[in-house]
This record gives sequence, C-alpha cells and structure tokens, in this order.
Amino acid sequence: DIVMTQTPLSLSVTPGQPASISCKSSQSLLHSDGKTYLYWYLQKPGQSPQLLIYEVSSRFSGVPDRFSGSGSGTDFTLKISRVEAEDVGVYYCMQGIHLLTFGGGTKVEIK
Amino acid sequence: EVQLVESGGGLVQPGRSLRLSCTASGFTFGDYAMSWVRQAPGKGLEWVGFIRSKAYGGTTEYAASVKGRFTISRDDSKSIAYLQMNSLKTEDTAVYYCTRAPTGWGQGTLVTVSS
Repeated sequence: DIVMTQTPLSLSVTPGQPASISCKSSQSLLHSDGKTYLYWYLQKPGQSPQLLIYEVSSRFSGVPDRFSGSGSGTDFTLKISRVEAEDVGVYYCMQGIHLLTFGGGTKVEIK
Repeated sequence: EVQLVESGGGLVQPGRSLRLSCTASGFTFGDYAMSWVRQAPGKGLEWVGFIRSKAYGGTTEYAASVKGRFTISRDDSKSIAYLQMNSLKTEDTAVYYCTRAPTGWGQGTLVTVSS
C-alpha cells in the first residue's frame, strides 16, 4: 500500500503571509499515462473535504490562485501565497494511482 | 453539478449490521467508480473502498481494516451506491462519506457503534 506522509502537523500563520505543506509518497505517483495522481484537499470545520488541486498542480474550478501545487514523483508541495482567514482548516494530500490513500493532514490556523 | 447524498447512518451495537446509501445526481452515475471514505471523530480521512463502473467490470476493492466485513454495491438504474457494513466494531465509528473521487463528495453520515 502507498503511504502518504504530510508535514508539518500544524501551522499557525499570520494573515497575508505564505504557507507551505509537504507531502511525500512511499511510491512514485507517476502513471504510465503520463499523469501524476496527487491531489490536495481542504476540509473546513464541519464540512466535507473540498478539492483544491488535482494532478499535482492544476487548480480545481473556483479555487483562488493564491493556492498552488508543485512536485513530481514522490515529493509534493502545496503553497498558499497569502493566507486568508477563510483558509483555516485541515489540508490533506491524497494519492489516486493505486486505490486511494490520504496523508495525515495539516491543520492551518490563523495567528 | 455533482451531488451526493448519504443516508442510513445511526447508532448500532457492536456485531450488528448497517447499510449506507449514496444517492447521486448531476452526472451519469454508471460511468464512474464510486468510493467510500470515513473519518473517525477528531481523526483524518481513511479510504474504505470503491466499486468500479460496469465498463471496468464493476469490481470492488477494500481497505484491509474492513475487508471481509464491508461490501460495496451499486444500482446504476437508481444512481445509488451502497455500503453494507457487517460485524461492526466500535472502531468503525466515523462519519462516512461517499465520493466520486476526486471532485464530488457528499455531506457524510455518522455511524456510531456502541453498546
């Protein structure tokens, strides 16, 4: 099974400052079809997860451009260029190349 | 717009069974694999299993933690996916989400396993 490891466990960010979350997979997420099946979600308090980024770096519909994803193979990063109050919640990475596996989550709060 | 609505959650005793339903709308249900994901209170997301579309055999895969106890099925004529949960344990207590990964998620239904 593919293991997804997220760091840090939590982040406290001043509004307007950047934030970065790392996600590492135990196996490459690059498929033979050329796509890399790595996704990022935000779960706001009391809500279902909402997709932010798909296939490493593509923003889902309606996602602000302050969110960006990067990486390849087994190492991935989600960056928020300027954190806003509405960005609080738990961020998860997820792999979809073999079944589905989630990272442990990163809780983002506002200072 | 993809809409998924879970139902069937509730309080159940250890060792008993429960069946969850996921009613879909806004897309051609039969064309997609459907997954179940759960979240224990205060914990992270855990994939439970999925069922492929009929085009890919309609076969299922399960997490090791539920294999042999949980069964996923689908009724494409009604646009419903099911999660049959047998021999429930206290550690199965969670909010269960239906998802058309990666984009569509339901609001979840709470299953509490307790005596």
